[in-house]
Amino acid sequence: EAQVTQNPRYLITVTGKKLTVTCSQNMNHEYMSWYRQDPGLGLRQIYYSMNVEVTDKGDVPEGYKVSRKEKRNFPLILESPSPNQTSLYFCASSSSGSKTDTQYFGPGTRLTVL
Amino acid sequence: AQSVTQLDSQVPVFEEAPVELRCNYSSSVSVYLFWYVQYPNQGLQLLLKYLSGSTLVKGINGFEAEFNKSQTSFHLRKPSVHISDTAEYFCAVSDRGSTLGRLYFGRGTQLTVWP
Repeated sequence: EAQVTQNPRYLITVTGKKLTVTCSQNMNHEYMSWYRQDPGLGLRQIYYSMNVEVTDKGDVPEGYKVSRKEKRNFPLILESPSPNQTSLYFCASSSSGSKTDTQYFGPGTRLTVL
Repeated sequence: AQSVTQLDSQVPVFEEAPVELRCNYSSSVSVYLFWYVQYPNQGLQLLLKYLSGSTLVKGINGFEAEFNKSQTSFHLRKPSVHISDTAEYFCAVSDRGSTLGRLYFGRGTQLTVWP
């Protein structure tokens, strides 16, 4: 089954404790991205990747890091989480990043930073 | 950057009633337009998209949307809703002028269908 998976689905942590949210897709997609969803703000892009070893900032990259060492994986790293990073995070992928592509979303990771 | 405005944050309707969810975008340049739906506790999935051609686009689950270039709008409609349509709906735009495959999302409209 074609899908985007994220782990963990739920995470409660404390300020400053480094964490990684994993994202994996099995569709051989080149383009992957991370969004955060906050009430009343919709989805905002954090980082995206056009291919292996090619990443770039989205609209709200501060406090986040990413890497793309393999085509299928695109982990999101919070080196020193803060309470304002409490949010619902979505990973998404698309075939080539073309402007006409459909993006496929993972189920989401709900992060709470205390 | 694009700006996408979803005019209603919440739309309550009764089952079998028609519904319209409104979306306007900012740019006058050519765009591609999308509607995504998010069911409770799930990720987003594509409802429909407009790339070119006919301005009336049909999607899954009986939804359709009409692209209006002069009004820079892409409103989503369904003639008769079901309780299972209760979800959050997001309008999104990608800019043909951009070199990157970026999607800009509206803030979402929560559709609640009552029996």
